[in-house]
Amino acid sequence: AQSVAQPEDQVNVAEGNPLTVKCTYSVSGNPYLFWYVQYPNRGLQFLLKYITGDNLVKGSYGFEAEFNKSQTSFHLKKPSALVSDSALYFCAVRDNAGGFKTIFGAGTRLFVKA
Amino acid sequence: AAGVIQSPRHLIKEKRETATLKCYPIPRHDTVYWYQQGPGQDPQFLISFYEKMQSDKGSIPDRFSAQQFSDYHSELNMSSLELGDSALYFCATELQGSSGNTIYFGEGSWLTVV
Repeated sequence: AQSVAQPEDQVNVAEGNPLTVKCTYSVSGNPYLFWYVQYPNRGLQFLLKYITGDNLVKGSYGFEAEFNKSQTSFHLKKPSALVSDSALYFCAVRDNAGGFKTIFGAGTRLFVKA
Repeated sequence: AAGVIQSPRHLIKEKRETATLKCYPIPRHDTVYWYQQGPGQDPQFLISFYEKMQSDKGSIPDRFSAQQFSDYHSELNMSSLELGDSALYFCATELQGSSGNTIYFGEGSWLTVV
């Protein structure tokens, strides 16, 4: 069965500093990995995904994520945080061995302080 | 670009009443997912449809049912509503076989049961 874990409930970072939001996963086959962001009272917005190829994936709003197969991780990163990046971030995984279900992590709330 | 449309955006019902939520996918998308997000919680997968057939089932209560119609829109029917059904209900859609299998979310329908 597939699962995804986001070990941090909250991440605090100062504006201009680099940020990392952690995600680890477990699947039986090869993973499809996704990051979504949710602003208050809004739907989830797609940020980026890893399907195959380069382990470093670049996405929207300057975010990137690195797929690490040996550590089964897919951490979200940004070199320089903005106050407007403050939101709830969800990591998600789909097992490409089959099934239509994408499983979401519990979410990590990012606070960027000016 | 057209996005996933959900209606109504807000709905207030009393206990034991019935509610119907609608989801209109991005044009050409053939797969619909329904998720439930309680306050402060991560999205929980309820059910999915591919080409008008149920493709997967998650933690959907027996009081709930859903279907996908010939125009690919979907409806989530909820009966005998309980206070605990109060949540944000997301619809998400994708085009199976497209590059990356990315699912896109609507803005959600807020259901409040009083």
